[in-house]
Amino acid sequence: AQKVTQAQTEISVVEKEDVTLDCVYETRDTTYYLFWYKQPPSGELVFLIRRNSFDEQNEISGRYSWNFQKSTSSFNFTITASQVVDSAVYFCALSDDIVYGGSQGNLIFGKGTKLSVKP
Amino acid sequence: DVKVTQSSRYLVKRTGEKVFLECVQDMDHENMFWYRQDPGLGLRLIYFSYDVKMKEKGDIPEGYSVSREKKERFSLILESASTNQTSMYLCASSSGGSFYNEQFFGPGTRLTVL
Repeated sequence: AQKVTQAQTEISVVEKEDVTLDCVYETRDTTYYLFWYKQPPSGELVFLIRRNSFDEQNEISGRYSWNFQKSTSSFNFTITASQVVDSAVYFCALSDDIVYGGSQGNLIFGKGTKLSVKP
Repeated sequence: DVKVTQSSRYLVKRTGEKVFLECVQDMDHENMFWYRQDPGLGLRLIYFSYDVKMKEKGDIPEGYSVSREKKERFSLILESASTNQTSMYLCASSSGGSFYNEQFFGPGTRLTVL
C-alpha cells in the first residue's frame, strides 16, 4: 500500500533561518510521482513541484530546493532564508503511474507540516 | 489566470439537511476531485470524475454523492448531513487521465453541521 509520512507536525523558525520539511514515502511501484503543495492561511493549495521516480536530480527554484533520494524513500523540501510569507501548511503527496478509466490509481497526501516563520 | 471556484467559503447546516457544494473550473480540465481536510488526517479523496457524467469513489465516499452534468462543474452532495461531516471541503481539477498531473485547488468550503 502507498503511504506518505510527514513526521513533523509543526515547525517554528525565525525569519532568515533555513528549514527542511521531511517527507518519507512507501510504494511498491517502480514508476511513481512525488509532489509538494503549499496551503497558505487563505486555504487554497498551491502546487510547488512534481518529480517522477526516474529523476533523482535535486531541484532548486529560488529559495526552494528539493532532495529526492530513492535509497531512503525520501523527498525533502528545504526553504533557504525563510520569510514570513512562507508560513503555511506544506503537503507532500505520492501518486502512481496508472491512467484511470476506472477506480484505479490514487494520489496520497501526507498529513502536512505547519510551518510558522516569525519575524 | 486559472481558476477553481467554490460556491461558499463558509456554510452552516443542520443535521439531516441536504447539502450541495458546488465547484466550477475554467480551465477545460477533464478531471475534477472532491477532498475533505481534517486536522491530523490531511486530505482524503471523497470522489473524483474524469469525464462528464463519470464518477469514481475515492477513499471515503460513504455519506456523499456527486454530480457532473457539465465539464466545468462538479457538485458534492450530502444527502442527509451529519455532525461528523463537519470539515473543510476542497475541490480540485486537473488535465489528462491520471493522478500524476498537477491539481489546481479551490479555496475550500468550511462546512459546519449542527
